[in-house]
Amino acid sequence: DVKVTQSSRYLVKRTGEKVFLECVQDMDHENMFWYRQDPGLGLRLIYFSYDVKMKEKGDIPEGYSVSREKKERFSLILESASTNQTSMYLCASSLWGLAGAQSYEQYFGPGTRLTVT
Amino acid sequence: GQQVMQIPQYQHVQEGEDFTTYCNSSTTLSNIQWYKQRPGGHPVFLIQLVKSGEVKKQKRLTFQFGEAKKNSSLHITATQTTDVGTYFCMDSNYQLIWGAGTKLIIKP
Repeated sequence: DVKVTQSSRYLVKRTGEKVFLECVQDMDHENMFWYRQDPGLGLRLIYFSYDVKMKEKGDIPEGYSVSREKKERFSLILESASTNQTSMYLCASSLWGLAGAQSYEQYFGPGTRLTVT
Repeated sequence: GQQVMQIPQYQHVQEGEDFTTYCNSSTTLSNIQWYKQRPGGHPVFLIQLVKSGEVKKQKRLTFQFGEAKKNSSLHITATQTTDVGTYFCMDSNYQLIWGAGTKLIIKP
């Protein structure tokens, strides 16, 4: 059974803290994604990675960085958390191929609800 | 930048009524993927549409892709309580643009 796991379901951090969100997938997928989800805004892509050590900026990369040292693991880093980064963070993975007929379905983890106070 | 407009934001229906959500873009869409997110859950893939004018069915769900590939719709016939959730469309181009979602609410 396909599985994407995220390190925490709920996280509370203080403004200015460095925050690490971890995601692991067991499907040998090439692509991994980090989104944030806010009410009324849908999902917004922060970063994605199509291979180990490769990363591409999404729609809203400011204030975030990512790391992919192993194929199965994709980390999202908030260097200095701010209150406007309070959100639900969703990780996803898919087979390689992003555009046109090569795009594949994404499998999502359960999400991490981050609150920054 | 490119946007995918999804309407309505909410739809309240009586159980047994139909439900439709629409996604529109000012630019040509690449492929459209549809996802469902149950309350408290994560998005789950439903289907992908690739070809202009494509229509696909999954039991009571009908998915359409416009002839010009600028719009798509999801129609549910005779809603059931298990259909409750938020339905999202996503243009699977390079930037993966998501609609804001339509929340299906079944009136008690």
